[in-house]
Amino acid sequence: GEDVEQSLFLSVREGDSSVINCTYTDSSSTYLYWYKQEPGAGLQLLTYIFSNMDMKQDQRLTVLLNKKDKHLSLRIADTQTGDSAIYFCAERGGGFKTIFGAGTRLFVKA
Amino acid sequence: ETGVTQTPRHLVMGMTNKKSLKCEQHLGHNAMYWYKQSAKKPLELMFVYNFKEQTENNSVPSRFSPECPNSSHLFLHLHTLQPEDSALYLCASSQDQGGGSGANVLTFGAGSRLTVL
Repeated sequence: GEDVEQSLFLSVREGDSSVINCTYTDSSSTYLYWYKQEPGAGLQLLTYIFSNMDMKQDQRLTVLLNKKDKHLSLRIADTQTGDSAIYFCAERGGGFKTIFGAGTRLFVKA
Repeated sequence: ETGVTQTPRHLVMGMTNKKSLKCEQHLGHNAMYWYKQSAKKPLELMFVYNFKEQTENNSVPSRFSPECPNSSHLFLHLHTLQPEDSALYLCASSQDQGGGSGANVLTFGAGSRLTVL
């Protein structure tokens, strides 16, 4: 079945780059997403990429997609303490369902 | 404020109680979703409604009963729950379930934190 995996924790220093990785299993995925969840809130879309692209950049965010290896990454440049949150990888597969991972909790040390 | 409002934000109930979670969206969307969020586990899709019709029931136990009276409102009725049902229940909406094209971006509410004693 469809499965999305990501590591649970990442710790970086303020000003460094953060890279959050994700793997997925559904080769028919059309869109892949990154959502952010801040404390006490629901998930909010950060960015998404269509499966025929391999990179998307949006200000401090860079998304890389390796469709052959079913690997998605999110790079946050110049990470700030306000970036501390849980980051969810998700994919939209052939069943028209959006499947999420368990989320990566990003800690940013001042 | 995302346009998706969930109430109550916190709920404590005993295993024999009956309670309901409510979700309301003001975005004009036609699809609504219930997800369950438990620590260190993938977000779990429970139910999907598209134009008020249930299109997905992800093998959810019958002690969870959804209701979608119109495209703007979604309920999750709870009865005879177990302690392992304690979790954050998230409601989301999207333009529609997007069977053809489009990114089908989900807009989430802040969640209802459920504790079953």
